[in-house]
This record gives sequence, C-alpha cells and structure tokens, in this order.
Amino acid sequence: KQEVTQIPAALSVPEGENLVLNCSFTDSAIYNLQWFRQDPGKGLTSLLLIQSSQREQTSGRLNASLDKSSGRSTLYIAASQPGDSATYLCAVENDSNYQLIWGAGTKLIIKP
Amino acid sequence: DTGVSQNPRHKITKRGQNVTFRCDPISEHNRLYWYRQTLGQGPEFLTYFQNEAQLEKSRLLSDRFSAERPKGSFSTLEIQRTEQGDSAMYLCASSLIGNTEAFFGQGTRLTVV
Repeated sequence: KQEVTQIPAALSVPEGENLVLNCSFTDSAIYNLQWFRQDPGKGLTSLLLIQSSQREQTSGRLNASLDKSSGRSTLYIAASQPGDSATYLCAVENDSNYQLIWGAGTKLIIKP
Repeated sequence: DTGVSQNPRHKITKRGQNVTFRCDPISEHNRLYWYRQTLGQGPEFLTYFQNEAQLEKSRLLSDRFSAERPKGSFSTLEIQRTEQGDSAMYLCASSLIGNTEAFFGQGTRLTVV
C-alpha cells in the first residue's frame, strides 16, 4: 500500500531564504508525482508535475526533483516571499489505479 | 473555461439531512475525481469517473454516498442521512486521460451540526 510522508509538518523561515520541502513515498511504481499549494480554506493549486521518467521540473522560483528508486521528491523554493506562505502537498499517482495518494502537507510560513 | 467549478462553496446541514454537491470539470477533461479532506490532513480519494463511467470507489464511500456523472460532463456527489463525521472539505478534480496534471476546484466545505 502506497504511503506518502512529508517532512517537516511545518516550517517558518525569513523572507529571501531558499528552502527545501521533502516528500517520500513507499512504492516506487508511480506514474507521476505532483506538488500542490493550498491556501487556508481553499482548494488545491497544481504547481509542478513530474512524470515517472523525469528527474526534475522547474517553474519560476520552484524546482521539483524526483528520485523514484529512493522514493523521494523535493520541492525547492528560491528567494522565498511572504506570498509563498501556504501548505504544500505532494501526491503520487500509482501505476495501478490512477488515484492520487497524498502526504499530509508542510505548512510554510515566510516571515517578512 | 475558468477551471473546475464546485457548488456550493459552503453547506451547513443538520444531521440526518441529505446534501448534494456539484462539480463542473474543465470542459475537455474526461477524468473526474472526488476527494475528501479534513483539517490538517491530505485529501483522501473517494471516487473516479472516466467519461460517464464510475471506474473506482474507495471503501470510504459508504452506502450513504453516491456519485454520478451523467453524459460525462458535470458530476454530483450526494450524501444521504448526513452524520457529524461527514464534516469535511469535498474536493473535485479533473484531468485528461494519460499522464497529465489534475486540476482542482475550490471545494465544498460541509458542516454537519
């Protein structure tokens, strides 16, 4: 059974710092991995999708990496801004059933 | 197309009442998903449609829950005889068949009192 874990559960850093969020998964048979952002009480915004055959994806200040063999992904945020404050969730889509299996998220606070 | 749309955004209901939520996916998307999210947790899969066919249902989806997607367009999720434990954010997502991103709506927050 696929399990997704995100560490840390919460992170608070000063504005301008670069930071890394971690996501690990137990079953390497995945179709893809997605990183999402969720603002309080809101829905989910897709940030980056990494196909199982890819190693990384970049969008603006965000870079996501994927190491299937070790069951890990990281989301790197460069030059953090207060507007980046949100909960970041990673989700994997399994080969077998097309469901997204989610981590519990990392709550990120960027202090001005 | 403005993305995935969910209605209502908020619903407060008394225990025992029935509620129905609607999801309008991105128009060309043939896959549609329902998820449930409680505070501080990631979403949990409920069910999945490919066009009008409901292909998978989670064990979380008890007999009180039913979902439809007539004509492969919008979808409805009905909860009968609501219980306090049903209180959660109900999220709808859509995607194209294949290895593509899932796009989420803003969710419907259900409170059962």
